[in-house]
Amino acid sequence: QKEVEQDPGPLSVPEGAIVSLNCTYSNSAFQYFMWYRQYSRKGPELLMYTYSSGNKEDGRFTAQVDKSSKYISLFIRDSQPSDSATYLCAMTPNTGGFKTIFGAGTRLFVKA
Amino acid sequence: GAGVSQTPSNKVTEKGKYVELRCDPISGHTALYWYRQSLGQGPEFLIYFQGTGAADDSGLPNDRFFAVRPEGSVSTLKIQRTERGDSAVYLCASSRGRSSYEQYFGPGTRLTVT
Repeated sequence: QKEVEQDPGPLSVPEGAIVSLNCTYSNSAFQYFMWYRQYSRKGPELLMYTYSSGNKEDGRFTAQVDKSSKYISLFIRDSQPSDSATYLCAMTPNTGGFKTIFGAGTRLFVKA
Repeated sequence: GAGVSQTPSNKVTEKGKYVELRCDPISGHTALYWYRQSLGQGPEFLIYFQGTGAADDSGLPNDRFFAVRPEGSVSTLKIQRTERGDSAVYLCASSRGRSSYEQYFGPGTRLTVT
């Protein structure tokens, strides 16, 4: 079993929809939880990170972490065609080690 | 300011050859990471540098892979006796200090071993 599980999709939604992307994990040592966006043939781009449990909002993006369930989510409001990309979740303990583990990524298509 | 740069952007080599991939991190970033990304997968951790030293090389798949960062800035990933299974995109990222939760990635080097 992988340390981080993420549904690869693809996920196809109409423009303006609310998108929900999720990851589950098994290692309780993870403290920081990140979401990256990756366009085709580009490097990942950090969207936001969250420390421990809770919510964090940045514009149209909201990240949620539930450490008790080992479950994290990214919500995208008012989705746009330019949001079409692969979304990667990532996690790191950041104490005693800095190895970052990525999910496989979910491909998102937002149709105009 | 300038982001993370990687050269070459594409590299085609024959099985058994030696290759070097270069990463130039964001100025002032002391931490540097190498990842390998295969098609349809997320980046897979290879090695992490803090300054000049490799703080964690647990992700290097075998002793054909080696990385250096002699002056604490530019890093080179070296692969000896390349195999077809080494074909992937090799990504480099950097971060300030120990902020591994805020990594900035380069565009990657696409390595193809024929």
